Amino acid sequence: ELKVEQNPLFLSMQEGKNYTIYCNYSTTSDRLYWYRQDPGKSLESLFVLLSNGAVKQEGRLMASLDTKARLSTLHITAAVHDLSATYFCAVDGETSGSRLTFGEGTQLTVNP
Amino acid sequence: DAGVTQSPTHLIKTRGQHVTLRCSPISGHKSVSWYQQVLGQGPQFIFQYYEKEERGRGNFPDRFSARQFPNYSSELNVNALLLGDSALYLCASSTILRDRVGGQPQHFGDGTRLSIL
Repeated sequence: ELKVEQNPLFLSMQEGKNYTIYCNYSTTSDRLYWYRQDPGKSLESLFVLLSNGAVKQEGRLMASLDTKARLSTLHITAAVHDLSATYFCAVDGETSGSRLTFGEGTQLTVNP
Repeated sequence: DAGVTQSPTHLIKTRGQHVTLRCSPISGHKSVSWYQQVLGQGPQFIFQYYEKEERGRGNFPDRFSARQFPNYSSELNVNALLLGDSALYLCASSTILRDRVGGQPQHFGDGTRLSIL
């Protein structure tokens, strides 16, 4: 059974600081996704990582994937309040269909 | 372009009742998946349908069923509702069965929040 673990689960940080969210998964997969969820809202796709060593950046967020270590990171640079949300990583471990297994989520709060 | 639309947005039921949730995928998307998100947790996969056929089922009891129509819209049915079925039910659509090379993420609707009293 595929397991996905994120840490930390809760993150409170000050504006302007940097931090990294970690996502570990238990079985071989070459498809990892990062989503953002605001309170009471649905999931917004942030990044799709398909291969070992993949790195993608959008604004203050940068995601990377190490398939050998079964690890993805989401790095936040110079955080701003608008980044406050819950961030999920999800792994697609299926070989025929598509089935996302999500981590527990990291609730990020950026304080002024 | 319209995104994934789900109805209703909120629903209150009592234990033992049944419920039908509806989802219309993005135009051109043939795959619809359903996820259950309990408060404070990540979404859990329930079903995937593609071209009107079930292509994947998560670890949910037989009280949960779904179907996909010729226009690719989908319904999720839950019978004999339990308190533990209270959750946000998310529908996601994508163009293909499996994202092999394009890195196409699934697009999620706003969900139906189901409360069981």
